[in-house]
Amino acid sequence: AQSVTQLDSQVPVFEEAPVELRCNYSSSVSVYLFWYVQYPNQGLQLLLKYLSGSTLVKGINGFEAEFNKSQTSFHLRKPSVHISDTAEYFCAVTPLPGGSYIPTFGRGTSLIVHP
Amino acid sequence: DTAVSQTPKYLVTQMGNDKSIKCEQNLGHDTMYWYKQDSKKFLKIMFSYNNKELIINETVPNRFSPKSPDKAHLNLHINSLELGDSAVYFCASSPAGRTFGQEKLFFGSGTQLSVL
Repeated sequence: AQSVTQLDSQVPVFEEAPVELRCNYSSSVSVYLFWYVQYPNQGLQLLLKYLSGSTLVKGINGFEAEFNKSQTSFHLRKPSVHISDTAEYFCAVTPLPGGSYIPTFGRGTSLIVHP
Repeated sequence: DTAVSQTPKYLVTQMGNDKSIKCEQNLGHDTMYWYKQDSKKFLKIMFSYNNKELIINETVPNRFSPKSPDKAHLNLHINSLELGDSAVYFCASSPAGRTFGQEKLFFGSGTQLSVL
């Protein structure tokens, strides 16, 4: 079984400041890692994913995340946020083939960007 | 051209009623899911269907019954609604096959269910 911990339920930040949203996971098998964003009253959309290879992955809207296997983390970063980045962010994992294939989501981090 | 569409968007009903939420995807995906998002935004898998066959049924009360008439549709029927069923329900789909697990999920925009 897998579990995902998003350490911060809410992250307030000022516009143009950098931000990091933290994600740690626990799994007995190797996993694929994802970050999704949910804007108000919408479904989730994929920001980026890590499958293999380079541990630094770049996604849409200027976001990037770094996979750290030893720390079982997949933190999301953006060097300069905009008001429009205000949303709920979800980290998710899926076990590699042989597992259930069902994504497990963290509890989400609410990013609030202030002007 | 919505990829994953759910209806209705809002559903307000009384305790004890039976209601259905419909989901359709036009992406040609083989796998569809229902997730429940509670008031604290926690997303929990309820069901997963692959090509009309149930593959995951998490610990969900048997008042919830998914029905997949074809691989493009996965409807959710809920009997005897309870206050605790109030939540946002999301339908999602993904391609199956060799890359299963690597592919992103495509989500609908959600159905907000309020049980009074």
